[in-house]
Amino acid sequence: DVVMTQTPVSLSVSLGGQVSISCRSSQSLVHNNGNTYLSWYLQKPGQSPQLLIYKVSNRFSGISDRFSGSGSGTDFTLKISRVEPDDLGVYYCGQGTQYPLTFGSGTKLEIK
Amino acid sequence: EVQLVESGGGLVQPGRSLKLSCLASGFTFSNYGMNWIRQAPGKGLEWVASISSSSSYIYYADTVKGRFTISRDNAKNTLYLQMTSLRSEDTALYYCARWNYYSRYFDFWGPGTMVTVSS
Repeated sequence: DVVMTQTPVSLSVSLGGQVSISCRSSQSLVHNNGNTYLSWYLQKPGQSPQLLIYKVSNRFSGISDRFSGSGSGTDFTLKISRVEPDDLGVYYCGQGTQYPLTFGSGTKLEIK
Repeated sequence: EVQLVESGGGLVQPGRSLKLSCLASGFTFSNYGMNWIRQAPGKGLEWVASISSSSSYIYYADTVKGRFTISRDNAKNTLYLQMTSLRSEDTALYYCARWNYYSRYFDFWGPGTMVTVSS
């Protein structure tokens, strides 16, 4: 199984600041077809997770360009710029390259 | 508007069974793979099971294999999860989520239904 390791577990940021969240996989997420199926989700307090980024760096419909994803192989990063109050919650990375599908353990973003 | 609404959760004793449903609307259900994902209280996300659009392909997490069965009725726009031999560790909020086959991500999630396994 692919183990997804996220760091940090939590972080605190001032409004308007920038943060980065790391996600590392125990195996390469490059599929046989050449695509890398790494996604990012945000779970706001009391809500279901919502998709932010797919295939490493593609923003989902309606997602602000303050969110950006990067990386390759086994090492990936989510960056959030100009942090807003609505960005607080838990961020998860997830891989769709192989079954069983797996998620990171989450990074909790708090606003200072 | 895509909507997914889970139901069927509740309090159940260890060893008993429960069947969850997820009613889909706002899209052509028969064109999409679907999934169950769960979240234990205060914990992270755990993928449970996947089913392809025509039910041809089904996958399970090892933690539920042999105990849970995912199925769907495309005529009723409904996804199911039959859970048997329930354990305390199955206690969680169960989400159904739509799967984007080509880019392999969960694009829409329901609000979830809570399953509590306790005597």
